[in-house]
Amino acid sequence: ETGVTQTPRHLVMGMTNKKSLKCEQHLGHNAMYWYKQSAKKPLELMFVYSLEERVENNSVPSRFSPECPNSSHLFLHLHTLQPEDSALYLCASSQVWTPNYEQYFGPGTRLTVT
Amino acid sequence: SQQGEEDPQALSIQEGENATMNCSYKTSINNLQWYRQNSGRGLVHLILIRSNEREKHSGRLRVTLDTSKKSSSLLITASRAADTASYFCATPLQGAQKLVFGQGTRLTINP
Repeated sequence: ETGVTQTPRHLVMGMTNKKSLKCEQHLGHNAMYWYKQSAKKPLELMFVYSLEERVENNSVPSRFSPECPNSSHLFLHLHTLQPEDSALYLCASSQVWTPNYEQYFGPGTRLTVT
Repeated sequence: SQQGEEDPQALSIQEGENATMNCSYKTSINNLQWYRQNSGRGLVHLILIRSNEREKHSGRLRVTLDTSKKSSSLLITASRAADTASYFCATPLQGAQKLVFGQGTRLTINP
């Protein structure tokens, strides 16, 4: 148990659906991250929020829309996804927004786009 | 190009043996981190070693850092079946506020 929870754990959606992934951290951290992990690829950073402000957006397609309503919650809204978006989506948090601190990861949401 | 690369890509050993994984990186860093990921789960932070440290221990884990060779190693002693997982090194990307992860070493411990 890392103190970071994600729901749902598994999600199957069609290309025309809209769904949201939820992440919650119970660690009092100020930074939260979304990563994508595809087979045979390194972990890809998608978005970073620091003190509820988006500070990083790594050329992610607009069909992925993040939201951070407060420092404990992070959402990833999904719409009109493509089959290549099927992957494990990981949320993480760290004490502050810096690569000099360890990150705490949630268990991930396994997304399948059909 | 990737900042950190692990070697080997896969490693299979018998329970009780030691496992060594290596990580090489390209640019100067101020720290290097190791993470473990069990199949289909999130990553778990293992150790952070700073650039002015040469070796760090945590239980059965020993991490070394050689900044002159831009490399790090993770040693797991007296391996157990529960150590079966993928192990990743992560380094800060120079000039950016982000960690970059390697592709990982898949470690299998055989009973």
